[in-house]
Amino acid sequence: DSGVTQTPKHLITATGQRVTLRCSPRSGDLSVYWYQQSLDQGLQFLIHYYNGEERAKGNILERFSAQQFPDLHSELNLSSLELGDSALYFCASSVGQGGQPQHFGDGTRLSIL
Amino acid sequence: DQQVKQNSPSLSVQEGRISILNCDYTNSMFDYFLWYKKYPAEGPTFLISISSIKDKNEDGRFTVFLNKSAKHLSLHIVPSQPGDSAVYFCAASAYGGTSYGKLTFGQGTILTVHP
Repeated sequence: DSGVTQTPKHLITATGQRVTLRCSPRSGDLSVYWYQQSLDQGLQFLIHYYNGEERAKGNILERFSAQQFPDLHSELNLSSLELGDSALYFCASSVGQGGQPQHFGDGTRLSIL
Repeated sequence: DQQVKQNSPSLSVQEGRISILNCDYTNSMFDYFLWYKKYPAEGPTFLISISSIKDKNEDGRFTVFLNKSAKHLSLHIVPSQPGDSAVYFCAASAYGGTSYGKLTFGQGTILTVHP
């Protein structure tokens, strides 16, 4: 058990819809990272937050947004969903602001029909 | 443009022997490298890392070697155990001014350790 909690585990929705994925980092960790794993692209970095502030951004689509709240949990919002957004979305956390993700959650599997 | 490549999709090894997983990268700005292990239906688990100022880092049965001139790193597992059977991901990062968090991952190598 990594201590990182992601909800929901599975999400099935339709094109054009909007969803919110939630992540609670491991206790004591201030950094949260989001990654997308699709079949053809592998694990792709989306965004990194540290203590509520954005620290680094990857090739995150404009339809996607994220935030980290004062209690350190994070949400990834995906809107105007397309079939290609079907993927596993992982959240990870670490203690510091400059480091790498140490602890990953088990992911949210998003299926767009 | 795949900046981190794991050219072997799979590797099969006998229990007790050495497992060697390889990874190549193209971006010379990468200065920190990591290996993760992933079991089915779970998230990746951090294994070991190495900074570009080193050429070797060891942690128990796991050793990572870095050859900067060849832009190549490898993970050695000795001795291999059946519980090591998993997908292994190589990842690399370059300091982005505020974070090393932007990891670029390889496609993974499936390691199977036979009893």
